[in-house]
Amino acid sequence: GAVVSQHPSWVICKSGTSVKIECRSLDFQATTMFWYRQFPKQSLMLMATSNEGSKATYEQGVEKDKFLINHASLTLSTLTVTSAHPEDSSFYICSAWGPSSYNEQFFGPGTRLTVL
Amino acid sequence: QKEVEQDPGPLSVPEGAIVSLNCTYSNSAFQYFMWYRQYSRKGPELLMYTYSSGNKEDGRFTAQVDKSSKYISLFIRDSQPSDSATYLCAMSDNAGNMLTFGGGTRLMVKP
Repeated sequence: GAVVSQHPSWVICKSGTSVKIECRSLDFQATTMFWYRQFPKQSLMLMATSNEGSKATYEQGVEKDKFLINHASLTLSTLTVTSAHPEDSSFYICSAWGPSSYNEQFFGPGTRLTVL
Repeated sequence: QKEVEQDPGPLSVPEGAIVSLNCTYSNSAFQYFMWYRQYSRKGPELLMYTYSSGNKEDGRFTAQVDKSSKYISLFIRDSQPSDSATYLCAMSDNAGNMLTFGGGTRLMVKP
């Protein structure tokens, strides 16, 4: 299957700082990338959908000014958690889809964010 | 009622057992059905992908979709301790569209 990477794999930051998470599709062009959040022992919750070159579409209840998503190229999307607080601590996972990914979404390995 | 229901488990079985994991859903527009395996602190890994109704087999894994009953299953034969993980069903109404996930079933295979 296709490879999607995320960086960093884990990050610890102080409350009030901003954190950027990168999601890259390494071997196919991802026209659409999805960002999920997963709390311990819970399922994935979709935060937003981003199409290359367009503004992201956020799910209800997700603050777009807090979770900034940029999908500037067909291989890279970024999620920036602005003014992070302890309640933002979670596992953030991206997935990527493109016409050549044979109708499948491929997931990254996730980024664990801990806000102190 | 959630759009996709999945028993959270945990499901504990002895090594070698046949495991049956299931999801029910309410949205009749779903056409693409997937099973993901997720190890602790890792991203989900696609196991099986099925379009519409029917069966699909891949090694020890068999996926079944019954759209008339809005019910999907994943069977694992000859289960191994390495199969211990959380299994997530997911579905979509169109390729490339957002996935709707079940809550996940935690499986433990004991040697």
